[in-house]
Amino acid sequence: GESVGLHLPTLSVQEGDNSIINCAYSNSASDYFIWYKQESGKGPQFIIDIRSNMDKRQGQRVTVLLNKTVKHLSLQIAATQPGDSAVYFCAENIVGSYIPTFGRGTSLIVHP
Amino acid sequence: KAGVTQTPRYLIKTRGQQVTLSCSPISGHRSVSWYQQTPGQGLQFLFEYFSETQRNKGNFPGRFSGRQFSNSRSEMNVSTLELGDSALYLCASSPRLAGAGETQYFGPGTRLLVL
Repeated sequence: GESVGLHLPTLSVQEGDNSIINCAYSNSASDYFIWYKQESGKGPQFIIDIRSNMDKRQGQRVTVLLNKTVKHLSLQIAATQPGDSAVYFCAENIVGSYIPTFGRGTSLIVHP
Repeated sequence: KAGVTQTPRYLIKTRGQQVTLSCSPISGHRSVSWYQQTPGQGLQFLFEYFSETQRNKGNFPGRFSGRQFSNSRSEMNVSTLELGDSALYLCASSPRLAGAGETQYFGPGTRLLVL
């Protein structure tokens, strides 16, 4: 499959555990954030997004938390499954002009 | 509904050549964005086209260009290829202009190798 990074941080979890993937963003003016999942050999897939006027947003089995004070974003995956194994990365953007900046990504490995 | 398609899937070129990549968005989507993904730099935004006009542009040299046709299909061109242009080139489409609240759908990418 496609390699998206040779030295990505890796998070290994057991099936059924909760996973937390972190992302530090760089621009204090960024006000829109997206989490993507990329499986080997595929393009990125949108997971969830959040605007800066929110601290938390929940989706199906996923929650994104935003801490603007320390410019930190996290993605929580509940009851992690083997199918969640992929590279996850965040993107930041300033609303009004779409020129996103992407994080390097974290490789999530889920052991059955 | 068919997803985003990109052609070709794999391409080998030599330095100095030019290359054209094609992207067909999901039917009804009017925005197409292009990205470059490399192990060293990760995923980087190239540009976005909407209604045949370039709306946003990332920090890439002028050798990287694109266009969009009236049916929303888009092409990306890289002239005078350099070794560092070897990458996975991804396109993504969305119904409206990319940005807050607008989910983009990515294609599988074109893997370009420059020798």
